[in-house]
Amino acid sequence: AQSVTQPDIHITVSEGASLELRCNYSYGATPYLFWYVQSPGQGLQLLLKYFSGDTLVQGIKGFEAEFKRSQSSFNLRKPSVHWSDAAEYFCAVGEADYGQNFVFGPGTRLSVLP
Amino acid sequence: KAGVTQTPRYLIKTRGQQVTLSCSPISGHRSVSWYQQTPGQGLQFLFEYFSETQRNKGNFPGRFSGRQFSNSRSEMNVSTLELGDSALYLCASSLGDRALELFFGEGSRLTVL
Repeated sequence: AQSVTQPDIHITVSEGASLELRCNYSYGATPYLFWYVQSPGQGLQLLLKYFSGDTLVQGIKGFEAEFKRSQSSFNLRKPSVHWSDAAEYFCAVGEADYGQNFVFGPGTRLSVLP
Repeated sequence: KAGVTQTPRYLIKTRGQQVTLSCSPISGHRSVSWYQQTPGQGLQFLFEYFSETQRNKGNFPGRFSGRQFSNSRSEMNVSTLELGDSALYLCASSLGDRALELFFGEGSRLTVL
């Protein structure tokens, strides 16, 4: 069965510091991988996606993620965090034959210290 | 271009009642899916509709149902509400036909008392 783990429930970083959010997946085939962000009371916004090709993908708001097949990981990074980045971040896995039946990780809540 | 619109944004019901939630996808998007988000279970897939046909269904009881209209708008219905149905219900749309980029609405927050 497909599964997604995000080992860190809550991370706190100082504004201006770098950030890495971890995501590991268990999947039988080549997955389609996504990172979404959710601010309180809001829906999910797509940060970036990986379907194939270059394993380092760039997203919105200065985020990037790297797909590492050997480690079954798709970690999200940002070199310098802004206070407005405080939110919950979700990693998700999809597969073409399953349509929009994505499997989401439990989420990582990011707090940013001034 | 307007995003995904969900109505109502907030609602309170009592056990045993039923509820209908509405979702208007982004113009031109033909596929709509629904997710339930709770603190305990996280985000869970409910169902997906494409061209008025249910294409995928998650592991939820039959009390949860949905439909899609010819204009791609979708509704989901939950009958005989239980306390555990309290959740944020998120609708997402995509161009459809195996397009995997989902655009989410802000959700409908359901509280069951």
